[in-house]
Amino acid sequence: GAVVSQHPSRVICKSGTSVKIECRSLDFQATTMFWYRQFPKKSLMLMATSNEGSKATYEQGVEKDKFLINHASLTLSTLTVTSAHPEDSSFYICSARERGLLRFYEQFFGPGTRLTVL
Amino acid sequence: QQQVKQSPQSLIVQKGGISIINCAYENTAFDYFPWYQQFPGKGPALLIAIRPDVSEKKEGRFTISFNKSAKQFSLHIMDSQPGDSATYFCAGLIIQGAQKLVFGQGTRLTINP
Repeated sequence: GAVVSQHPSRVICKSGTSVKIECRSLDFQATTMFWYRQFPKKSLMLMATSNEGSKATYEQGVEKDKFLINHASLTLSTLTVTSAHPEDSSFYICSARERGLLRFYEQFFGPGTRLTVL
Repeated sequence: QQQVKQSPQSLIVQKGGISIINCAYENTAFDYFPWYQQFPGKGPALLIAIRPDVSEKKEGRFTISFNKSAKQFSLHIMDSQPGDSATYFCAGLIIQGAQKLVFGQGTRLTINP
């Protein structure tokens, strides 16, 4: 149980285009989803926290208008990188917290999405 | 105060040996300390976790040792295997409130056959 999927796993796009990444909790309802960014050989950097039906909370230094997050349901959150540029190339990972679980603070991570902007 | 400092940055261990990764935290409000294992190109997976009310937790070959007074905790991997070669992250979290994980810098572990 507690499986989180991401789609796509890899995406290559041209500079200036927008890219949408989906994060789904497959077998549980997620009260909260988190979006992280990871550079090569580096740790995970939290970008934003999203709760179903409410606006995402962004970490300091993360551009809200560039990284649009929508948590439309208890099983789906999307991250849209708008007007992508090469510096947005990175590994994006989501995680989800299960609703109603005894250990509600545990986060289950998706497999990540590799974004390459040409 | 939010930092979790992890060492070493990289570690090479012979097969069958013990791998030890250390973490130190500053925020005494942290009350949940998980360890994650990440393989290249994959998301992190929860390996083992501990609450500060216990000094040790063991699951199979993996053990967390926790020293609350020193604000330090460590991961021990016994009988290390080549399949354990991965990057390991420690983290701290405050269960109440925003519940954001604060990650250490990561340790790249290589187990030589």
